[in-house]
Order: sequence, then structure tokens, then C-alpha cells
Amino acid sequence: SAVISQKPSRDICQRGTSLTIQCQVDSQVTMMFWYRQQPGQSLTLIATANQGSEATYESGFVIDKFPISRPNLTFSTLTVSNMSPEDSSIYLCSVIRDIGGGYTFGSGTRLTVV
Amino acid sequence: GDSVTQMEGPVTLSEEAFLTINCTYTATGYPSLFWYVQYPGEGLQLLLKATKADDKGSNKGFEATYRKETTSFHLEKGSVQVSDSAVYFCALSHNAGNNRKLIWGLGTSLAVNP
Repeated sequence: SAVISQKPSRDICQRGTSLTIQCQVDSQVTMMFWYRQQPGQSLTLIATANQGSEATYESGFVIDKFPISRPNLTFSTLTVSNMSPEDSSIYLCSVIRDIGGGYTFGSGTRLTVV
Repeated sequence: GDSVTQMEGPVTLSEEAFLTINCTYTATGYPSLFWYVQYPGEGLQLLLKATKADDKGSNKGFEATYRKETTSFHLEKGSVQVSDSAVYFCALSHNAGNNRKLIWGLGTSLAVNP
């Protein structure tokens, strides 16, 4: 099963700045997913990142706010742009673990915007 | 669209009590069903899964059976331990297509007292 290295694990950022989160997978995967988990809530899918094509964003999320890169089959980045306190959340990347489902998650990035 | 509904928490039990966390779903076709667990301060982990009707997923003493007729995937454990205190998420995904995203329940917090 895939192992995901996600960084940074946490950060405290100033309002108006941007943060780029990285996910490195130890094997090639076609699809990577970026989620947000706000305090006390379930996960919300931000976008699906496929290598070689633009990311597919879910309703309520736009590329200008959450640009994603997927330069190869083992790596992806999510940028949280022009941050506000409402962006304070845990951000997670995920890949499909095996045929038939099952997803592996990165350890998450805990973002606090002040 | 697809959706997952799970019982609201928090659930508080004494050690060695029987646990049931209800999960029902709405989906077209035959999705795969999952339970994920998030221990305090840790990332999401796949607890168990089932990929077709009547399958039973099991792990660490937890079980859940894929019931197509009742569109349910209830999580059970015969004797909970303090170390089972966590948030449990029910989820589904489809096994094919370009958008194999997970659809999540809102999570159920479980607290087990000694």
C-alpha cells in the first residue's frame, strides 16, 4: 500500500499570505485527492488531481484560491492563497490504496491563519 | 447524488460495552463502503471496508456488513476499550470511473470510559 509524506505538518500564517502544502507518494498513483477538515467536522473534498491534466474542483472551491500542481505520478501540491482566518483547517492529501477502494491519507497539515 | 448518513455523537460507553454506530447510504450502483477512524491528534486510518453486498469487513475486533437491502453498513464491536476512543467516519466510493472520490459521513465521536 502507498505511503504518503505530507508537509508541513502544521503552520501558522498571516492573513493575506499563501501556503503551499506538498504530498509525496512512494509509488505511482493516477489520482490524488485534496481534502479539508474543519474543526469538529467531516472531510470536504477540495479537488481531484490527475497527472497531466487540470485538477477537478468541487463545488465551492476554485483554482484561484486553491491552485494545485501535479507534475508527476508521485507528487502534488496544494496552495492556499490569500489566506483568511476562515481557511484555518486541516488539509489532507489522499490516494487510492488498492483496487476495490481503500484510500491512504497523508498525516495532514494543520493550518492556523491569524 | 450519493450520500452517507451516520448516527450523531458523541457516543459515550463504559469499557467492555457493546458498540454500534449506524451508517446508511444512498448511492447508485454498487459502491464500496468504508469505515475510517481518527484517533486524537492522529491522521485518518482505514479501519475496514467491504466491496460488495453481504461482504463483512473486520479489523481490530470491529465488524461491519454491507447490507444492500437496507443500504446500511453499521459498525459494531462486542467489547470496546478505552483505546477505541476516536472519531469514526463512514464513507463510500464507486470503483470505476474518473472520479472515484469518497463520500463521507459527518463522523461519530466515541468516548470509552474505564
